[in-house]
Amino acid sequence: DTGVSQNPRHKITKRGQNVTFRCDPISEHNRLYWYRQTLGQGPEFLTYFQNEAQLEKSRLLSDRFSAERPKGSFSTLEIQRTEQGDSAMYLCASSLGRYRGNGYTFGSGTRLTVV
Amino acid sequence: AQSVTQLDSQVPVFEEAPVELRCNYSSSVSVYLFWYVQYPNQGLQLLLKYLSGSTLVKGINGFEAEFNKSQTSFHLRKPSVHISDTAEYFCAVSDTKDSSYKLIFGSGTRLLVRP
Repeated sequence: DTGVSQNPRHKITKRGQNVTFRCDPISEHNRLYWYRQTLGQGPEFLTYFQNEAQLEKSRLLSDRFSAERPKGSFSTLEIQRTEQGDSAMYLCASSLGRYRGNGYTFGSGTRLTVV
Repeated sequence: AQSVTQLDSQVPVFEEAPVELRCNYSSSVSVYLFWYVQYPNQGLQLLLKYLSGSTLVKGINGFEAEFNKSQTSFHLRKPSVHISDTAEYFCAVSDTKDSSYKLIFGSGTRLLVRP
């Protein structure tokens, strides 16, 4: 098990284009989280899944954002019609839901730059 | 709602000196408390956590933190820092009753260890 994997590591896109990020969590982890981190700030919660069910979405997740976890394994985060304000690091994390004491395991993130 | 304040955006310190990174939180509910470290171009790694019990918690890499309920603080300390401790440190809280286990992060403190 190599931890939480995120691809791509970096993405540069033009304003108005759609982008999709992928997250592969630790295999036995049933919970998967997406966070967004802008420069000089801490991560902000976007959404989370328990298995394949998306159980909560932050108000930060506008209708241009959609996340899926189709078989309870990997997850994708899509941003449609990107805006410059979407430029950020997108972090994925996974955990075993029954015990929060272990915290999350974070991936290295996908850095999005919208030009 | 909860919020986390990290009072210092950057803390410069000489190698082998002690350091304290400050964290205060505001919450109307009981919370769990965490410290994470983020090295450049990497995800966040859990340093330590307070869930219950002894208010002095020890974590990895020689770090410790003390939960002070009356002052709503959870300051991070290390008696002697190394160059390799240079990183961004984030304090986070989680509502004990929130089944999502989502984290609310502070804006981070950059620890800069100088030789």
